[in-house]
Amino acid sequence: AQSVTQPDIHITVSEGASLELRCNYSYGATPYLFWYVQSPGQGLQLLLKYFSGDTLVQGIKGFEAEFKRSQSSFNLRKPSVHWSDAAEYFCAVGANTNAGKSTFGDGTTLTVKP
Amino acid sequence: ETGVTQSPTHLIKTRGQQVTLRCSSQSGHNTVSWYQQALGQGPQFIFQYYREEENGRGNFPPRFSGLQFPNYSSELNVNALELDDSALYLCASSSGLAGARGELFFGEGSRLTVL
Repeated sequence: AQSVTQPDIHITVSEGASLELRCNYSYGATPYLFWYVQSPGQGLQLLLKYFSGDTLVQGIKGFEAEFKRSQSSFNLRKPSVHWSDAAEYFCAVGANTNAGKSTFGDGTTLTVKP
Repeated sequence: ETGVTQSPTHLIKTRGQQVTLRCSSQSGHNTVSWYQQALGQGPQFIFQYYREEENGRGNFPPRFSGLQFPNYSSELNVNALELDDSALYLCASSSGLAGARGELFFGEGSRLTVL
């Protein structure tokens, strides 16, 4: 069975500082991996996705993530955080034939200090 | 291009009642997936509809059921509501099962409170 672990429930960073959110997954085959962001009262927005090829993927809003098969990880990074990045972030793993059946982690809440 | 819309946005029910939640998929999308997001948790896959047929189901009891209509809009029905059904219910649409290689478009959800 597939699973996703986001070890950090809550992270606080200062505006302008760098950010890394951790994600570890379990999946029996080559996974499809995703990062989503959810602002309060909103649905989820896709930040980026990995299917194959280059292990460093670029997303929207200046985010990037690196797929490391040996570590079963897909960590999300941003070089300089903006106050508007405060939100909840979800990592997800999906079947390569049907991303609609994705399994999500429990999320990491990001707080940005001025 | 209209996005995914869900209704109602908020509702309160009592234990034992039934509820119907609605989702209009994004224009051109024929696949709808439903997720339950309990407070403090990530979304959990309930089921998916593809071309009006259920195409996979998560670990949810049969009192969770759904429909997809010819225009690809969808309903989620929950019978015999329990307190633990209180959650945000999210609908996500995509273009086909592989969803344009994983591109899911989520609505803003329907927040259900069961008293």
